[in-house]
Parts: sequence; structure tokens; C-alpha cells
Amino acid sequence: EVQLFESGGGLVQPGGSLRLSCAASGIIFSTYAVSWVRQAPGRGLEWVSAISGSGGSTYYADSVKGRFTISRDNSRNTLYLQMNSLRGEDTAVYYCAKGASEWLYVNDHWGQGTLVTVSS
Amino acid sequence: EIVLTQSPGTLSLSPGERATLSCRASQSVNNYLAWYQQRPGQAPRLLIYGASSRATGIPDRFSGSGSGTDFTLTISRLEPEDFAVYYCQQYGSSPFTFGPGTKVDIK
Repeated sequence: EVQLFESGGGLVQPGGSLRLSCAASGIIFSTYAVSWVRQAPGRGLEWVSAISGSGGSTYYADSVKGRFTISRDNSRNTLYLQMNSLRGEDTAVYYCAKGASEWLYVNDHWGQGTLVTVSS
Repeated sequence: EIVLTQSPGTLSLSPGERATLSCRASQSVNNYLAWYQQRPGQAPRLLIYGASSRATGIPDRFSGSGSGTDFTLTISRLEPEDFAVYYCQQYGSSPFTFGPGTKVDIK
């Protein structure tokens, strides 16, 4: 059974930093692309970032480019999102989601999400 | 960036009725189009990928169609658990954008 478990969310002040983690189990992690998708309170889904199975290719939404960094440690079956220079509009539930293959970014399994709140 | 537009914003229907949801892309997505369902308080769930292929475990009352820039999700007969928000997403070119969603609620 595929399982994804996000952690690292919490309350952070504007301008601060936070690192999210997503631990995967039930899959050969390195053979799948993974993504981060967020949802602000009461709003729709917003794609944030994605990374290929090997980690060699990364992609970002314009809204986070230059502030967020996606990475993965395939030896630990873990995905990360380093978030710097956080703003109020980054407040959201952050989901990690598994791609259908190493290069296919359709999200066939999702974690339950971790809440990030940016506020003073 | 490819912009996805979904219509209608809200669809009010009764159980047993047919639901037809639309997703339009600002440019061709080469059928790299997925549909997700999100129930309140839950993570999204993949329903359809490749515009028309059902994901594992998805009932056959859900079907997807379309190509290029115009896509449709059809729910043939609404069950109580189908009242939710539905999102389309293109995954053909980064950024892999989502549409704003269609809420299907009980009439």
C-alpha cells in the first residue's frame, strides 16, 4: 500500500523559513516523480513544485520560484520542500503527491497534508 | 503558463442525475489532463488521467472525454458520496496548473 506522510508544518513569522518533509512507503521511491500541491484555507488547489524520480529535474510555480527549493533523498524515501522568505499568502495545507512514473506528473496518491501558517 | 478554466463554478443536482463538468485549457495540453475529486476535509483523489483513463478503483460511472483544449468529466448517475469539488489539472508542461474547481452540491 502506498503511503505518504507529510511533516514539518507549523506557525512561522513572515520572512521566516520552514522545511517540510514527506516520507513515502510501499513504493520504490526513486522510480516516481513527486510533487507539492498546496491549498489555502477555503481555496482551490495550487501546484507548487515537482521533482523527477532521480532528482535531476525540478519545476516550480512562479509564485514560489527563488524562495522554495524542492529536493529528495531516495535513500531515505523522503521528499523535502525548503521554504524561505515566507509570506502570508503561503499559508496553506501542503500536500505531497506521487507521480504515476519517473517523469509523469499526474498525482495518483496523496498524503493527508501539513498546515503551514505564516503570521506574526 | 497554461490556464485552465472550469465551468460551471457550482452544479446543483439531485442523486441519480447526470453531471457534466467542463475544463478548457488556454492552449493544447496534448491530453495530459487529469481530474481529481476532493471531499470536505480530505485530500484530493485521482479520478481520470490521460483525459479519459480511469484511475485504479474508480467506479465506471465516472468518465472523461475530450482532447486538445476542451475536456469533460461526466458522472452518469450521482451517488451521495459524489457531492464534492472536482478539479482538472494539466501535467503536460510546467507549471502543472490546476483549474479553479467545480463544486457539485445537492439540489
